[in-house]
Amino acid sequence: GIQVEQSPPDLILQEGANSTLRCNFSDSVNNLQWFHQNPWGQLINLFYIPSGTKQNGRLSATTVATERYSLLYISSSQTTDSGVYFCAASNDMRFGAGTRLTVKP
Amino acid sequence: DTEVTQTPKHLVMGMTNKKSLKCEQHMGHRAMYWYKQKAKKPPELMFVYSYEKLSINESVPSRFSPECPNSSLLNLHLHALQPEDSALYLCASSQGQFSNYGYTFGSGTRLTVV
Repeated sequence: GIQVEQSPPDLILQEGANSTLRCNFSDSVNNLQWFHQNPWGQLINLFYIPSGTKQNGRLSATTVATERYSLLYISSSQTTDSGVYFCAASNDMRFGAGTRLTVKP
Repeated sequence: DTEVTQTPKHLVMGMTNKKSLKCEQHMGHRAMYWYKQKAKKPPELMFVYSYEKLSINESVPSRFSPECPNSSLLNLHLHALQPEDSALYLCASSQGQFSNYGYTFGSGTRLTVV
């Protein structure tokens, strides 16, 4: 299966700061999905993005399929952004290890 | 309806008990998935059903028995579990198996085996 690697594993930010999370994948993917898992365990779809750039409010994502990576940008972070961010390749829906984000007030 | 509903939200069971987890979706999705997630780990794929047939079993022990009675419903039957099976169990659905159009997850069942 496709190997998915995420970085950094942990990230601590002050409220209002910006951040970039990275997802590398070992082979070409049909699609790539970003999720946010809140402290209660709910996995929330953020983006599915095979290539190009998408934006949704303070969040945006870019996938460069030819170079096998995707980036998730969080701007003006809020405490409610805390949680774990996962990417998953839709070829077989295997998840990366995640980035644990803590936003401090 | 754009949700995947899982019940119960919490379950405590003894090692000799038999229990079932339920997952339901009414989005017309034809693929459904069970994942297991241990604390501080990513979700791990357990089973995939495509058009109500078991498509993938990731070498899951037989004490976990999936069932897909119809296209909207997915069950996970549990029997003789071990304490190490305690985890968050997540259900997901998609238009087709490993769809290009994204996945929707339920909120999970938090299982504790005592």
